[in-house]
Amino acid sequence: AQSVTQLDSQVPVFEEAPVELRCNYSSSVSVYLFWYVQYPNQGLQLLLKYLSGSTLVKGINGFEAEFNKSQTSFHLRKPSVHISDTAEYFCAVSDNQGAQKLVFGQGTRLTINP
Amino acid sequence: DGGITQSPKYLFRKEGQNVTLSCEQNLNHDAMYWYRQDPGQGLRLIYYSQIVNDFQKGDIAEGYSVSREKKESFPLTVTSAQKNPTAFYLCASSRQGIDNQPQHFGDGTRLSIL
Repeated sequence: AQSVTQLDSQVPVFEEAPVELRCNYSSSVSVYLFWYVQYPNQGLQLLLKYLSGSTLVKGINGFEAEFNKSQTSFHLRKPSVHISDTAEYFCAVSDNQGAQKLVFGQGTRLTINP
Repeated sequence: DGGITQSPKYLFRKEGQNVTLSCEQNLNHDAMYWYRQDPGQGLRLIYYSQIVNDFQKGDIAEGYSVSREKKESFPLTVTSAQKNPTAFYLCASSRQGIDNQPQHFGDGTRLSIL
């Protein structure tokens, strides 16, 4: 079974500052990793995914994440945030065994201050 | 435009009443999923279906039921046996295949108890 831990429940940052949202996972098999963003009262939108290959993954809205197998981490970063990035961010993992069930972290609320 | 439609957006349930949440997709996806979202707990899988007329329990299936009579539709019934149904419910769908496809989400249904 897999599990995901998002190390920060809330992250406040100033506009145009860099941000890192941390995600650690555990699994006994190879995994696929995802970051989703959720704006208030909406569903989840995919930011980026890691399936295989290059460990640095670039996504939408200027976000990127790095897969680190030895540290079982998949941290999300953005070099300069904007007010519109205020949202909740979810890290998720699925195994590669076929059912594609996602296991989600608890979420990190990113708040951008002007 | 292709997507996932959840209805209604808001739903109220009386004690002892069953209610059904609708989820329809026109993405031609084989797999569909139902998640429950509670504050600070991320998303938890209720049921999923990989093919028409077949579905499996997720991590928190007790008090819920589903059907998958058509590829496009995956309704969720919250029964009176679910003692704490107040939550935000999200439906998702994905393609099946060897390359893990990301899940696409609807905009959710918020269920409250009267």
